[in-house]
Amino acid sequence: QVQLVESGGGVVQSGTSLRLSCAASGFTFRNYGMHWVRQAPGKGLEWVAVIWYDGSDKKYADSVKGRFTISRDNSKNTLNLQMDSLRAEDTTVYYCVTYNGHWPNGFGESWGQGTLVTVSS
Amino acid sequence: QSVLTQPPSVSGAPGQRVTISCTGSSSNIGAGYDVHWYQQLPGTAPKVLIFRNTNRPSGVPDRFSGSKSGTSASLAITGLQAGDEADYYCQSYDSSLSGCVFGTGTKVTVL
Repeated sequence: QVQLVESGGGVVQSGTSLRLSCAASGFTFRNYGMHWVRQAPGKGLEWVAVIWYDGSDKKYADSVKGRFTISRDNSKNTLNLQMDSLRAEDTTVYYCVTYNGHWPNGFGESWGQGTLVTVSS
Repeated sequence: QSVLTQPPSVSGAPGQRVTISCTGSSSNIGAGYDVHWYQQLPGTAPKVLIFRNTNRPSGVPDRFSGSKSGTSASLAITGLQAGDEADYYCQSYDSSLSGCVFGTGTKVTVL
């Protein structure tokens, strides 16, 4: 079955960087676009970024544009999120999600369990 | 602030029918973009409940149904059960924001 395991979360200082990773298994990773979606404690879901199945295109939410970079390594079935210039409002759980369908009408089919990032000021 | 508005909470007795609205605008739902619905049980990751407006993934009971009209969409839950207590989110695409958008979320309580 599909497994998405996020890692790399933790507590960091405001202004610093962190890199999240997501190890995918149980499906043909290179055939799927992938999302990052985040959720602040007790709050709603917020879309962060999407990357095409082959990495040829990427889209970002305005709130992270210019600070976050989504990437993937199809040879290692891994999705990444490089987060720079972190702010207190980036404190959330980050979910790795498979993107089923063609942009922009696809949906999040399978979700990881999430990794918590805490940015302290 | 999300561009898709949902009621903060809805409630119903076991066996009843409840509906959750997702109100958008001409740059998202009204523009014809698909709406998807997710269920998030307490302490767990979200799970897709309805995709492309009306479709249920395998394993999702037919008690859950989706519809879309104009600038809004709705999720209906019939035969409400205690296990349906969760947060529910709609999701679509917004052309003004050039990105995916989620609804504000609705907490369903079974009385």
